[in-house]
Amino acid sequence: DQQVKQNSPSLSVQEGRISILNCDYTNSMFDYFLWYKKYPAEGPTFLISISSIKDKNEDGRFTVFLNKSAKHLSLHIVPSQPGDSAVYFCAASAENQGGKLIFGQGTELSVKP
Amino acid sequence: DVKVTQSSRYLVKRTGEKVFLECVQDMDHENMFWYRQDPGLGLRLIYFSYDVKMKEKGDIPEGYSVSREKKERFSLILESASTNQTSMYLCATGGGQGYGYTFGSGTRLTVV
Repeated sequence: DQQVKQNSPSLSVQEGRISILNCDYTNSMFDYFLWYKKYPAEGPTFLISISSIKDKNEDGRFTVFLNKSAKHLSLHIVPSQPGDSAVYFCAASAENQGGKLIFGQGTELSVKP
Repeated sequence: DVKVTQSSRYLVKRTGEKVFLECVQDMDHENMFWYRQDPGLGLRLIYFSYDVKMKEKGDIPEGYSVSREKKERFSLILESASTNQTSMYLCATGGGQGYGYTFGSGTRLTVV
């Protein structure tokens, strides 16, 4: 049972345009959400997070939006750069599960010059 | 900066071998995790530990065991390696709810 889903395995965007990566979840107890970025042959690195008490968090070119009623979050990257090309994982955790992170399947973003 | 070190970047092992993957963190985190990453399946939790000598099964523990004798070290053991255990293995440590994980660089294991 996939509690966190990223339905798009890949996304291709032109440099300078907006990248939008989507993530859906099923567990209403999730109260903390994160995005990780992963380059080949490296471990994932933390990108941005959001608590369930907020609906938006911004950090430079990266913004995460949370829609609790739809159980949906998205990551916006503006403007996209070729160095953003990587696999992006969304993850969620619930306090009653001890903070254990549940990851989605990942979306491979390709930003073309 | 929290550092998570995995002992090997690449490993090739034969079917039936016992395989040890080591992970060491230099921060005083109680929580440590082992994931495997496979294309289209994302990161799947194998085992985790919230304290020394304590372990909990994740979503896919079959064929694996773990050891946590010291707080900073969490080992993943493949009792008898099989070809379907060929994967990228990632160790992580975390500070609890509301905090993300810090991952190691990963070990690419190939079982032939």
